[in-house]
Amino acid sequence: DQQVKQNSPSLSVQEGRISILNCDYTNSMFDYFLWYKKYPAEGPTFLISISSIKDKNEDGRFTVFLNKSAKHLSLHIVPSQPGDSAVYFCAASARTTDSWGKLQFGAGTQVVVTP
Amino acid sequence: DAGITQSPRYKITETGRQVTLMCHQTWSHSYMFWYRQDLGHGLRLIYYSAAADITDKGEVPDGYVVSRSKTENFPLTLESATRSQTSVYFCASTGRRDTQYFGPGTRLTVL
Repeated sequence: DQQVKQNSPSLSVQEGRISILNCDYTNSMFDYFLWYKKYPAEGPTFLISISSIKDKNEDGRFTVFLNKSAKHLSLHIVPSQPGDSAVYFCAASARTTDSWGKLQFGAGTQVVVTP
Repeated sequence: DAGITQSPRYKITETGRQVTLMCHQTWSHSYMFWYRQDLGHGLRLIYYSAAADITDKGEVPDGYVVSRSKTENFPLTLESATRSQTSVYFCASTGRRDTQYFGPGTRLTVL
């Protein structure tokens, strides 16, 4: 039973335009959310995170939005660049003793940025 | 080199054989994790360790064994490999709750 869902397996966007990646979760105990980026033949790398006490976090071209009532978060990339072509994973963790540090990942969204 | 490394990067084995995947980190992070990545499932946690000699099961632990005698090493053993264990395996570590740092992965094929 996947607690973190990325319903769009792929996304194609033109260079310079906005990429919007979506993620839904079902566990109301999740209070920390992260986005990871993964290139082929490499491990995932941390991109940006957000705590449940916030509804927005921005880092350069990347902004994550959190809607707790809808159990939904999104990642905006503006403007999209060819180097952004990668698989993006949404992840979540819960602030409970037995869940410390354990992340639940979504299935990933493959982003392709075209010229 | 500083960071987190995995070996081997690629491994082909046969059904029934024992295989050990190695993970080494140089940050002295307390927490280490093993994930497998399969199409349609993202990354699923196999085992994790909170410190040396402390390990616990994740979401998909069946068929795997881990040990952690030293803080920096966290090997994953497939005691009797099966075809369903063909996957890409990632090791990760963290010293705090949020960001996990991942190794480059091991692509394992079980014939």
